[in-house]
Amino acid sequence: NAGVTQTPKFQVLKTGQSMTLQCAQDMNHEYMSWYRQDPGMGLRLIHYSVGAGITDQGEVPNGYNVSRSTTEDFPLRLLSAAPSQTSVYFCASSREGGRANVLTFGAGSRLTVL
Amino acid sequence: GEDVEQSLFLSVREGDSSVINCTYTDSSSTYLYWYKQEPGAGLQLLTYIFSNMDMKQDQRLTVLLNKKDKHLSLRIADTQTGDSAIYFCAETRYGGSQGNLIFGKGTKLSVKP
Repeated sequence: NAGVTQTPKFQVLKTGQSMTLQCAQDMNHEYMSWYRQDPGMGLRLIHYSVGAGITDQGEVPNGYNVSRSTTEDFPLRLLSAAPSQTSVYFCASSREGGRANVLTFGAGSRLTVL
Repeated sequence: GEDVEQSLFLSVREGDSSVINCTYTDSSSTYLYWYKQEPGAGLQLLTYIFSNMDMKQDQRLTVLLNKKDKHLSLRIADTQTGDSAIYFCAETRYGGSQGNLIFGKGTKLSVKP
């Protein structure tokens, strides 16, 4: 199994450009989420989804959109990139959310906004 | 204050034990986790503990939970250079029908030969 696959691994954008970070999992997981990791800040939750057609905001959702049209895919869209969105982005999934939410992480996507 | 707090750095010598500490604030947390992140990689689950447990052991790893003080620790016995990584403590913040993980900032463990 591939697990959680993120593309692209690296991306450079100019301020104001838009782009989509892709995330796909082949484990039939219901729960998927996006985190950003910044130096000295740990991981912060951007958006999450508990199943196809259901999404919700996390701690830092501003400037990002998500959708969950299928169980497998959970893309993260940056509508108008800003330098503050320079970060490493991680997608993670689990069989289901709930109290024991054991996440499987992708390898990350490093985004630089100039 | 922060939800989950960890010291940022720990340095040990190869063969010694490492103890990484974490404090959390949400008394309703039911599961607590330790994840490991190697350079340039995603996070990998090391272990997790249910809040009604005091201790969990898995080979070289020992997790201790003090619910009264909201303190979680990860002990790595016989630390090796391959254990050098960032270790994240996390708690499940449970609301509605789902649980989201809240992470600490991570402790960077350096193992010297």
